Formats: sequence, C-alpha cells, structure tokens
Amino acid sequence: EPEVTQTPSHQVTQMGQEVILRCVPISNHLYFYWYRQILGQKVEFLVSFYNNEISEKSEIFDDQFSVERPDGSNFTLKIRSTKLEDSAMYFCASSVGQMNTEAFFGQGTRLTVV
Amino acid sequence: GIQVEQSPPDLILQEGANSTLRCNFSDSVNNLQWFHQNPWGQLINLFYIPSGTKQNGRLSATTVATERYSLLYISSSQTTDSGVYFCAGRGNTPLVFGKGTRLSVIA
Repeated sequence: EPEVTQTPSHQVTQMGQEVILRCVPISNHLYFYWYRQILGQKVEFLVSFYNNEISEKSEIFDDQFSVERPDGSNFTLKIRSTKLEDSAMYFCASSVGQMNTEAFFGQGTRLTVV
Repeated sequence: GIQVEQSPPDLILQEGANSTLRCNFSDSVNNLQWFHQNPWGQLINLFYIPSGTKQNGRLSATTVATERYSLLYISSSQTTDSGVYFCAGRGNTPLVFGKGTRLSVIA
C-alpha cells in the first residue's frame, strides 16, 4: 500500500540552526501538508501546498518556515533559525484532492531543539 | 474555522471491554477522519468517514453528518489499543484536529 514517508524520524539540533525535514508524498497525490504536534498537545495545521505554491498557511507558519518541492517526489519543510519552542513532532500529509478526499499522514519527524 | 470537540478526554478500560469515543463538530464537514496515535507518536489512519458507517475488525465508526458528530467504537479492547485517538474534520479549511481521547487498556 502506498504511504507517505518522512526522514529523519528523529532530529536533534542546536538552537539557531537551520533544519530541513523531508517527506515523500504518495506519488499520484497533488496536495501536500505539514502539521505539527507539540508534546502532549493536539495536531496543528501549518501549511498546504498545491501546484508548486502555498495554498493555505496558519498563523504558526511565520517567516522562519518555508516549504519547497525541489523535485518530482520530495516535499520539504525548512525552519531557518530554530527556537526551543519549535521542538515538536512534524507530520507530512498528502491527498489526491482538496475536498472530500482522505489525507494520508507520514510517521512523523520528532524535532528536538536544544 | 470549525471547532472539534472529543470526549471523553481520558478513558481507562479493562482488557476485553467495549468503548465509544465521540467527536462533535461546530460546522458541517466534507472530510472526517479518525486516527490512532501509538506510543511512538505515529499517526495511524483508522477511518475516512464523512458519513455513514464503516467497520474494520474490532473497530467501527459512524458519522451522522447532519447532526455534526462521529463515533468510534472499539470492541473487545486489547492492550495494543492503548494510545491517543484523534478525530479530524475538514470544512473550508484544512483538517482540524480535536484534542484527542487518551485510552489506556489494562490487562
């Protein structure tokens, strides 16, 4: 069964460093998403991406975040200068369409900023 | 955007017991999903169920879209069912998650 894959599964970084989280969405999907979950809290939407541009973003997705689809398969989330409060589980998801379709989630990347 | 409320927030069950988890939405949704988050933090898709009833083994789900709620039934619970169960709905915004129900199944 096709699945969304994320790498790495766990990343530890120093405060102020840049990190890139990587995702390979399901191949025939057209919509891509990033969500994050701070420990013990609910899963929150960050950004959605369609046709090589951001289609929606939340208040959390500020200037330190960026997304990119550098080739036909990868979808990345970059955090420019990490803060302690960026420590969270980051989930990538993809779907065929925007409405009335199921979103499939990756297994997550646990980011720890020290 | 829509608000998603889940109940109960915590649930402790004896192995073999049945349970019902509930999810209420503040507005109509065109996408409704249930997830299980395992102890390693992974989100496992359980059901995509914008309306109607589906069953998968010991789990089943029912969504009554006109009344803006969904139910997840777990029968004959096992210790491996432990974890957090999230529902998430989509209206005109991306998927919005509830705060989850933390289920602990005790042997």
